[in-house]
Amino acid sequence: EVHLLESGGGLVQPGGSLRLSCAASGFTFSSFAMAWVRQAPGKGLEWVSEISPNGGSTYDADSVKGRFTISRDNSKSTLYLQMNSLRAEDTAIYYCAKDMSTWPDYFDYWGQGTLVTVSS
Amino acid sequence: DIKMTQSPSSLSASVGDRVTITCRASQSISTSLNWYQQKPGKAPELLIYAASTLHGGVPSRFSGSGSGTDFSLTISSLQPEDFATYYCQQNYGTPLTFGQGTKLEIK
Repeated sequence: EVHLLESGGGLVQPGGSLRLSCAASGFTFSSFAMAWVRQAPGKGLEWVSEISPNGGSTYDADSVKGRFTISRDNSKSTLYLQMNSLRAEDTAIYYCAKDMSTWPDYFDYWGQGTLVTVSS
Repeated sequence: DIKMTQSPSSLSASVGDRVTITCRASQSISTSLNWYQQKPGKAPELLIYAASTLHGGVPSRFSGSGSGTDFSLTISSLQPEDFATYYCQQNYGTPLTFGQGTKLEIK
């Protein structure tokens, strides 16, 4: 059974940093692209970042480019999102999602999410 | 960026009704269109990919159609567990983009 467990969310001040993690199990982690998708309170879904199976290619939304960095450790089956220079508009639930493919495609499994709140 | 627009934004219906949600892309995306269901407090779940292919385990009352710029999700006979928010998503190009969502409520 596929399982994705996010951690690392919390309250951070504007301009601060946070690192999210997503521990994966139940599938061959190194064979699939992985992504972060966020949802601001009461709002819709926004694709944030995605990474290829070997980590060699990454894709970022313009809204986070230069501030967020996605990475992965295939030996630990873990996905990361380093978030710097956080802004109030980054407040959201951040979901880890398994892509069906090796490039940005669509998501067949999602974690339960971790809440990031950016506020002073 | 490819903009995805869903209609309606909300919809009231009764158990047993047939409902259709539409999704329009700002440019042609072939059949690179996917549908998700999200229940309150839960993560989204994949329903349909490639416009019309049902994801494993999804009931057959769900169906998808369309190509190019216009797509639809149809639920043939609403069940109580179907009341949720539905999102379309294009994977024709990056950035991947979602529609704003359609909230399906009980009448």
